[in-house]
Amino acid sequence: QSVLTQPPSASGTPGQRVAISCSGSSSNIGSNFVYWYQQVPGTAPKLLIYRNNLRPSGVPDRFSGSKSGTSASLAISGLRSEDEADYYCAAWDDSLSNWLFGGGTKLTVL
Amino acid sequence: QVTLRESGPALVKPTQTLTLTCTFSGMSLSTSAMCVSWIRQSPGKALEWLARIDWDDAKYYSTSLKTRLTISKDTSKNQVVLIMTNMDPVDTATYYCTRTLSRFLGRDKEVGIDYWGQGTLVTVSS
Repeated sequence: QSVLTQPPSASGTPGQRVAISCSGSSSNIGSNFVYWYQQVPGTAPKLLIYRNNLRPSGVPDRFSGSKSGTSASLAISGLRSEDEADYYCAAWDDSLSNWLFGGGTKLTVL
Repeated sequence: QVTLRESGPALVKPTQTLTLTCTFSGMSLSTSAMCVSWIRQSPGKALEWLARIDWDDAKYYSTSLKTRLTISKDTSKNQVVLIMTNMDPVDTATYYCTRTLSRFLGRDKEVGIDYWGQGTLVTVSS
């Protein structure tokens, strides 16, 4: 069981906006930056959001991240079929001195 | 451009020791803030962080696997090695090498993983 909690699945139709939540604690999300990764099955994860809400070069602005207290959220607007993938949140945990991942959310574009 | 590549055996037998090597370019582990982490993913499962080594040779291990893991670096070769002992079929997974940053940005501490290798599948079977 992951220390960072994500819903196992999410879905939306093309053009819709979907949000994926990530819940942690004061020792991880509450005191460190949150990162989000996108993983298309069969490929390595790709950095989507860093430092809570920043996008690496090349990531569309349809993707946005936010953080409040011990929770974070990834929002995808203008949903497209190519957004169908697994999404993971992650953060460093100061108490464990471990990098933690959420359990992953499988996004389906209907 | 930062690139990382994992190498090691595709098949190991139960109880054997696994040795994986990460060879990277576009970064140096002698530079402050630079670190390398290993992460694995069992088929159909979530990502699992294993270990991290920093530019100053600080090392961190997964609390659940620390008794079986050893991480080391060869700065001159731009390589990081992960050793996992007593392999079991449940350790069958794709193992990823990643770049990790650990630094202070003003008063904020940043620890984050940005670049990933393509991964190497390790199967544990007799």
